[in-house]
Amino acid sequence: EVQLLESGGGLVQPGGSLRLSCAASGFTFRTYAMSWVRQAPGKGLQWVSTISGATSYSDSVEGRFTISRDDSKNTLYLQMNSLTAEDTAIYYCAKGEGPKRENWHFDCWGQGTLVTVSS
Amino acid sequence: QSVLTQPPSVSGAPGQRVAISCTGSSSNIGTGYEVHWYQQFPGTAPKVLIYGNSNRPSGVSDRFSGSKSGTSASLAITGLQAEDEADYFCQSYDSSLSGWVFGGGTKLTVL
Repeated sequence: EVQLLESGGGLVQPGGSLRLSCAASGFTFRTYAMSWVRQAPGKGLQWVSTISGATSYSDSVEGRFTISRDDSKNTLYLQMNSLTAEDTAIYYCAKGEGPKRENWHFDCWGQGTLVTVSS
Repeated sequence: QSVLTQPPSVSGAPGQRVAISCTGSSSNIGTGYEVHWYQQFPGTAPKVLIYGNSNRPSGVSDRFSGSKSGTSASLAITGLQAEDEADYFCQSYDSSLSGWVFGGGTKLTVL
């Protein structure tokens, strides 16, 4: 059974940093693209970043967030710097699936970890 | 403002059919990128309901179906049940943004 388990969320002050982790199991982690998707309280879903052979970021986090992975540990990371209140959200890691990059969908999701940016 | 536009809410009585639209543009759905749909219950993670415009993962009821035409897509739910009450999101890829995009979500209420 595919499982994704996020950790590392919490309360951080504006301008601060946080590192999220996502431990994966039940599939061959190194062969799949992995992504972070966030959801602000009461709002919709927003794609944040994806890592496959390359990395890509949404405009709202480019230059502040860094996605990475350790295939030996089956773990995905998101380093978040210069955080603002607009980054407050539940952060989900999600496994990408599909034959073509632009047509990937997110077939498995973790339970999410809450990041709150507030003074 | 989401790149993909969905109605904020739809409703229907048990047994009825409802449809949720997802309108995009020439840089996403209109380019030919596939549309995927997710179902989310309060306090839980989203779950893929339809992928590749019209494909259902195993375990998803055949009461759910997806279609795509031009710059829009649609999720149809037939034989509406109380357990279908949830939020539904569409997703595609946008070439102008070079990233994946979601609709704003639609809350389905079963009357």
